[in-house]
Amino acid sequence: QLQLQESGPGLVKPSETLSLTCSVSGGSITTRSFYWAWIRQPPGKGLEWIGSVFYTGTSYYNPSLKSRVTISLDTSKNQFSLRLNSVTAADTAVYYCAREVINNPRGWFDPWGQGTLVSVS
Amino acid sequence: DIQMTQSPSSLSAFPGDRVTITCRASQGISVSVAWYQQKPGKAPKLLINAASTLQSGVPSRFSGRKSETVFTLTINSLQPEDVATYYCQNYFSVPLTFGGGTRVDIK
Repeated sequence: QLQLQESGPGLVKPSETLSLTCSVSGGSITTRSFYWAWIRQPPGKGLEWIGSVFYTGTSYYNPSLKSRVTISLDTSKNQFSLRLNSVTAADTAVYYCAREVINNPRGWFDPWGQGTLVSVS
Repeated sequence: DIQMTQSPSSLSAFPGDRVTITCRASQGISVSVAWYQQKPGKAPKLLINAASTLQSGVPSRFSGRKSETVFTLTINSLQPEDVATYYCQNYFSVPLTFGGGTRVDIK
């Protein structure tokens, strides 16, 4: 079965860049039926979609974060990554990676990684 | 952006009760709604897609329904293991958006 695992620093300084990687096992990220997504959840708050990337490299971002976000693929490692620039305390959150199941034109998230807490301080 | 207004924000019910959670979309979005269950300290888990399609392995006491722009998640006969926060999600268009969540507790 497909599994996703986030990795990266748990602490980032303000104004620096947050970088996370999602390793995918049990399936290929080059499958045409899926996007690969990042979603975050500030402590005690709700879920926010950050963006998704297709196997071609085409990406879609939440307009609220678009100026600071890059999501990319490394097909040789079956991984995809998130970079968020110029972070502030408001970017402190649990960051999840997930598979987005495409359903004309977008889709739902299944499965999810376990999540990783990133604190900005 | 499509807003998903979810209510109530929290509820408490007895075991065996029927529980209903509502999400109202700010515009028509066909059946492009998914529902998730998130237990404390865990990642969300997909329960329902396409407004009413139950995922494999999800207990049949969970059901989803759509009426125009109002989407409901119903738990028939609430069980202690259903204590969690539930979220709806719009996937009709970008940006993909979530409702604010409903925390469900047991009395």
